[in-house]
Amino acid sequence: AQSVSQHNHHVILSEAASLELGCNYSYGGTVNLFWYVQYPGQHLQLLLKYFSGDPLVKGIKGFEAEFIKSKFSFNLRKPSVQWSDTAEYFCAVGDSGGYQKVTFGTGTKLQVIP
Amino acid sequence: EAGVVQSPRYKIIEKKQPVAFWCNPISGHNTLYWYRQNLGQGPELLIRYENEEAVDDSQLPKDRFSAERLKGVDSTLKIQPAELGDSAVYLCASSPLAGGPLRELFFGEGSRLTVL
Repeated sequence: AQSVSQHNHHVILSEAASLELGCNYSYGGTVNLFWYVQYPGQHLQLLLKYFSGDPLVKGIKGFEAEFIKSKFSFNLRKPSVQWSDTAEYFCAVGDSGGYQKVTFGTGTKLQVIP
Repeated sequence: EAGVVQSPRYKIIEKKQPVAFWCNPISGHNTLYWYRQNLGQGPELLIRYENEEAVDDSQLPKDRFSAERLKGVDSTLKIQPAELGDSAVYLCASSPLAGGPLRELFFGEGSRLTVL
C-alpha cells in the first residue's frame, strides 16, 4: 500500500524567506505525485503534479517541486514566500494503476508573517 | 464553470442520529470521490465512483456508512447511526475520466460534521 509522510506539521516564515516542505512517499511501483494547497476558507486545489520526464516540476504561483527517485522524495519549494502563501499544503501520491488511488499526507500548515 | 458543490457546510448532531451529505460534481466529470478529513490529518478516501459504479469502497465502514450515486451525477453519503469518532470534514471531489494518471481532483468546500 502506498503512503506519504510530511515531516513538518507547522512552518512559520517571514515574507521573502525561502520555503522547502518535505514529502516522502512509499510505493513499490511507478507513482504520480501531487501537491495540493488549501488556502484559509477555501477548498483544496492542485498546486502541481509529476508523472514522468523532467524531475523538476513548476506549478502555479512560483512553486516548484523536485522528484528524487533514490530518496523517494517530492519536496516543495519556493524561493521567496509571500503573506498570501499562508495555507495548508498536502503532498499526495497516486498509483499508476487503471483507476489511480490517491493517498494524501497529513499536511503542513504554512504561516507567513508580513 | 461551477465547482463541486456540497451541502450542508456544517452539521451538528447527537450521537446515534443519522446524517446525510450531498455532492454535485463538476458537469461532465465521471469520477466522484468521498474523502474524510479528521482534524490535523490529510484526506482519507472513503469511496470512489466511476459513473454510477462504486469501484473502490474498501475504506468505507459499511456497518454505518452508505453512499449512492444515482444516474452517475449527484451523490449522497449517509451515516447511520453517527458516533463521536465520525466528527470530521467530509470532502467530495470529482475528476474527468480522461487525462490518464495525472487526473486532477477538484474538491468541494466540504461538510463539517460535529457529533455530540
